[in-house]
Amino acid sequence: AQTVTQSQPEMSVQEAETVTLSCTYDTSESDYYLFWYKQPPSRQMILVIRQEAYKQQNATENRFSVNFQKAAKSFSLKISDSQLGDAAMYFCAYRSLPGGDSNYQLIWGAGTKLIIKP
Amino acid sequence: ETGVTQSPTHLIKTRGQQVTLRCSSQSGHNTVSWYQQALGQGPQFIFQYYREEENGRGNFPPRFSGLQFPNYSSELNVNALELDDSALYLCASSPGRGGQETQYFGPGTRLLVL
Repeated sequence: AQTVTQSQPEMSVQEAETVTLSCTYDTSESDYYLFWYKQPPSRQMILVIRQEAYKQQNATENRFSVNFQKAAKSFSLKISDSQLGDAAMYFCAYRSLPGGDSNYQLIWGAGTKLIIKP
Repeated sequence: ETGVTQSPTHLIKTRGQQVTLRCSSQSGHNTVSWYQQALGQGPQFIFQYYREEENGRGNFPPRFSGLQFPNYSSELNVNALELDDSALYLCASSPGRGGQETQYFGPGTRLLVL
């Protein structure tokens, strides 16, 4: 079974600085999808970025980018020019391709609380 | 385009009672997934519905059941509530059931069981 691990319960960063959140996962599958979701105090999960495992190029979305290391099973999120609105819980999630053994579900890490210092 | 909505936002029940939570999927989405998120943890998959049929289920007992309607909205029913059922229940919709489909989440229903 697949597992996702986020080893940093909490991270803090000064506004306008850069921060990297870590995520590792375990799987025997060769193709899959990885996601970073943000959950602010409003509770709604918001997709930040997604990565297809078959793509070697790291995904980017404006100030958000990932460092995807497939062999190391690592999927870190870098937030550049941190803003106060970035403060939230960040969750890393894994999903198998259709036909995989994860029943179409997202498998989640425990989350990292990101604090932005003004 | 209307996003995913859930009702109610908060709910208090007592042990042994039954509860129904509701979810309206985003326009054009035919797949709904339900997750339970205990305080301080990541979500856990309960089940998924695709075109009105259960399409996959996580490690939850049968007292967790669901429905999907022809308009693709969905209900999560929990019977014989236990204290450990206290959690945030998240609904997510997607335009298909494939792994490549991004799931879009509603704001959740906070359930407290006393």
